[in-house]
Amino acid sequence: QVQLVESGGGVVQPGRSLRLSCAASGFTFSNYAMHWVRQAPGKGLEWVALIAYDGRFQYYAESVKGRSTISRDDSKNMLYLQMNSLRVEDTAVYYCVREVTGYYMAYWGQGALVTVS
Amino acid sequence: EIVLTQSPATLSLSPGERATLSCRASQTINSYLAWFQQKPGQAPRLLIYDASNRATGIPARFSGSGSGTDFTLTISSLEPEDFAVYYCQQRSNWPPIFTFGPGTKVDIK
Repeated sequence: QVQLVESGGGVVQPGRSLRLSCAASGFTFSNYAMHWVRQAPGKGLEWVALIAYDGRFQYYAESVKGRSTISRDDSKNMLYLQMNSLRVEDTAVYYCVREVTGYYMAYWGQGALVTVS
Repeated sequence: EIVLTQSPATLSLSPGERATLSCRASQTINSYLAWFQQKPGQAPRLLIYDASNRATGIPARFSGSGSGTDFTLTISSLEPEDFAVYYCQQRSNWPPIFTFGPGTKVDIK
């Protein structure tokens, strides 16, 4: 079955960088686009970034554009989110999400908590 | 930027009752509209995609409808496990940018 396991969360000071990782299994990773979605404590969902199945394009929410980079390594079945110049408002649980047709967010990891403080 | 508005913010109902949740977009979004369910401490779960198609494994009591700017999620008869927060979500045509509504909490009356 589809499994997505995030890692790399933790406490980081404002202005510093952090890289989240997502290990994918149970499906052919290279066939699917992938998202990062975040949720601040007690708040709603916010889409962060999308990468095409072949890495051909990446798109970002305005709130992270220019500070974050989504990437993938199909040889390792890994998805990444590099976040730079972190702000207090980046504090959230970050979910790795696999699409189904049309970029719908069908399969979610359990999330990794990033605290910027 | 397309903004999604959900109403009501909270819906208090009893098991067995019908739940009707609304999602309104600030401009036409065609049929690219999804609904998610989230329970405390859990990741969201995709319920409905393309406004009216149930995702894999979703019970038939969940249905979606609507087009243009107005969309509805209906739960025909609430089960105890359905009390949760529900989010709608849309995608702009191109580039694909995604936005979520603020959520509707369905709680036990």
